Amino acid sequence: AQKVTQAQTEISVVEKEDVTLDCVYETRDTTYYLFWYKQPPSGELVFLIRRNSFDEQNEISGRYSWNFQKSTSSFNFTITASQVVDSAVYFCALSELTNSGYALNFGKGTSLLVTP
Amino acid sequence: DTGVSQDPRHKITKRGQNVTFRCDPISEHNRLYWYRQTLGQGPEFLTYFQNEAQLEKSRLLSDRFSAERPKGSFSTLEIQRTEQGDSAMYLCASSLEVKGETQYFGPGTRLLVL
Repeated sequence: AQKVTQAQTEISVVEKEDVTLDCVYETRDTTYYLFWYKQPPSGELVFLIRRNSFDEQNEISGRYSWNFQKSTSSFNFTITASQVVDSAVYFCALSELTNSGYALNFGKGTSLLVTP
Repeated sequence: DTGVSQDPRHKITKRGQNVTFRCDPISEHNRLYWYRQTLGQGPEFLTYFQNEAQLEKSRLLSDRFSAERPKGSFSTLEIQRTEQGDSAMYLCASSLEVKGETQYFGPGTRLLVL
């Protein structure tokens, strides 16, 4: 069963628009961790943010913000005033303690294209 | 640069050949993970090490896949008798030994099996 769902496969916006990437997760654990990674065309996964299940405060980092809502099992990511350099595939991931340690369960990713 | 490094970055091989990939983690990280990513998908967990101990390998895709981390530093992932379906990006990540630790990824090795 898919533990992380990113329903948006592709999103295209014009530069300076705001865009929100959705992430819905599934877990029975009370302790878990959520992540967002960015994968530009070069292929390397770049860490963006980590949240634990006990910290529901939203976070803002420059043009990036994250909205964590346990009630809806969602961890959405918003880019404000998007730029061409934001074009990439963005992955949401869930980590919980299993036999696989804290191996990450990734969603299928959302491909974001920002055009000038 | 002290990030995770992987070698080679690209590998083209013929079906039936063996290939080996290397991962050098961030030096103070004692956990090391291998993932596989196919086109249009998120990375898929394969195996992980804590120091030199391989603590989970049941998710390796078949018995043709094996991994080692002999001295608890670098790791190798070997695929024997490669098949076209093995074509993918192989990613390595490392982390500290803490709960829900952040994994830092290398640039990956892109494998193409002809």
